[in-house]
Amino acid sequence: SQTIHQWPATLVQPVGSPLSLECTVEGTSNPNLYWYRQAAGRGLQLLFYSVGIGQISSEVPQNLSASRPQDRQFILSSKKLLLSDSGFYLCAWSGGEATGELFFGEGSRLTVL
Amino acid sequence: KQEVTQIPAALSVPEGENLVLNCSFTDSAIYNLQWFRQDPGKGLTSLLLIQSSQREQTSGRLNASLDKSSGRSTLYIAASQPGDSATYLCAVRPVTGRRALTFGSGTRLQVQP
Repeated sequence: SQTIHQWPATLVQPVGSPLSLECTVEGTSNPNLYWYRQAAGRGLQLLFYSVGIGQISSEVPQNLSASRPQDRQFILSSKKLLLSDSGFYLCAWSGGEATGELFFGEGSRLTVL
Repeated sequence: KQEVTQIPAALSVPEGENLVLNCSFTDSAIYNLQWFRQDPGKGLTSLLLIQSSQREQTSGRLNASLDKSSGRSTLYIAASQPGDSATYLCAVRPVTGRRALTFGSGTRLQVQP
């Protein structure tokens, strides 16, 4: 069966520090991968999605970037965190077809102080 | 631009009641609609996926219906239990464009024992 792992689960970082959140999927190949952010009291916002290695689409201009160095690995990064980057970050995957069911990881809670 | 609305935002019911959660969307050109459950501080768990050609899907005590032409879906929960307490989100995937999901803001359900 397929599983998705995200880490770290919780992170407290000072403003201006770098960020790296990692996500890996097991049990499938060539998945579509997504990073979402869920801010307090708001809905889910799509940040990035990827349909293959090295292929990244950005949804909103922001202080973050994403990379996909391997087929089942998706990384969310920042060189310098802002207070507004605080939130709950969720990685998700769907099958290779564009209309497949979406499955989420457990999320990473980021607090920027 | 697709907009997804969920009403009510919060709902409290006594254990054993049957209940209906509503989801509406503005653009009927969708591939599918997915219902999720989110427990506090956790990721999203997929409950049901309805393809645009389907009218409903069932899983255990859950039944989701889709009326694409009117832009509505309902999630029916039979014989509610305290363990059903969570936030329920619906999301739609468009036919064209990037095909990433658009989410509603969710309905927070509390089932009183």
